[in-house]
Amino acid sequence: SQTIHQWPATLVQPVGSPLSLECTVEGTSNPNLYWYRQAAGRGLQLLFYSVGIGQISSEVPQNLSASRPQDRQFILSSKKLLLSDSGFYLCAWSDVGGDTQYFGPGTRLTVL
Amino acid sequence: AQTVTQSQPEMSVQEAETVTLSCTYDTSESNYYLFWYKQPPSRQMILVIRQEAYKQQNATENRFSVNFQKAAKSFSLKISDSQLGDTAMYFCAFMKHHTDKLIFGTGTRLQVFP
Repeated sequence: SQTIHQWPATLVQPVGSPLSLECTVEGTSNPNLYWYRQAAGRGLQLLFYSVGIGQISSEVPQNLSASRPQDRQFILSSKKLLLSDSGFYLCAWSDVGGDTQYFGPGTRLTVL
Repeated sequence: AQTVTQSQPEMSVQEAETVTLSCTYDTSESNYYLFWYKQPPSRQMILVIRQEAYKQQNATENRFSVNFQKAAKSFSLKISDSQLGDTAMYFCAFMKHHTDKLIFGTGTRLQVFP
């Protein structure tokens, strides 16, 4: 069966520091991968999605970037964090051509 | 652009009772999918149920069922025999066919009381 991992689970970072959040999927090949952000008390907003290694689509202009160095690895990064980057970040996967996304456990990011 | 509206910010229900959560959406598309996701206090998003718009039959998953009214663009979730573990945020979501973009509503917080 497929599993999706995210780390770290919780992160507290100062403004201006870099960021790297990692997501990995097991038990499937060539998945579509997604990064979402959830602000406090809000729904999810799609940030990035990827249909293959090195292929990244950005949905919202922002201070963040994403990369996919390996088939089942998806990384969310920032060179300099802003206070507004605080939130809950969720990674998700779906099969190629699949219509259902499955989510990881998420990372709570607090920028101080 | 598609939008998803959940008009009930909070709901409560007593254990073993039935509760219905509302969701409406706006789209000009004819082929799409609709989803309900549950987000318990752990905050992991868990798929509850999925509906394909071309199917007239309402989806069911054990105690969870939907009332899909395509013409009215309504997609409500019914939880029967509510359990304490059903306490969570519930999000309705829309996906246009052949895209990867889930559009979420703002959620309904459900509290199940003993």
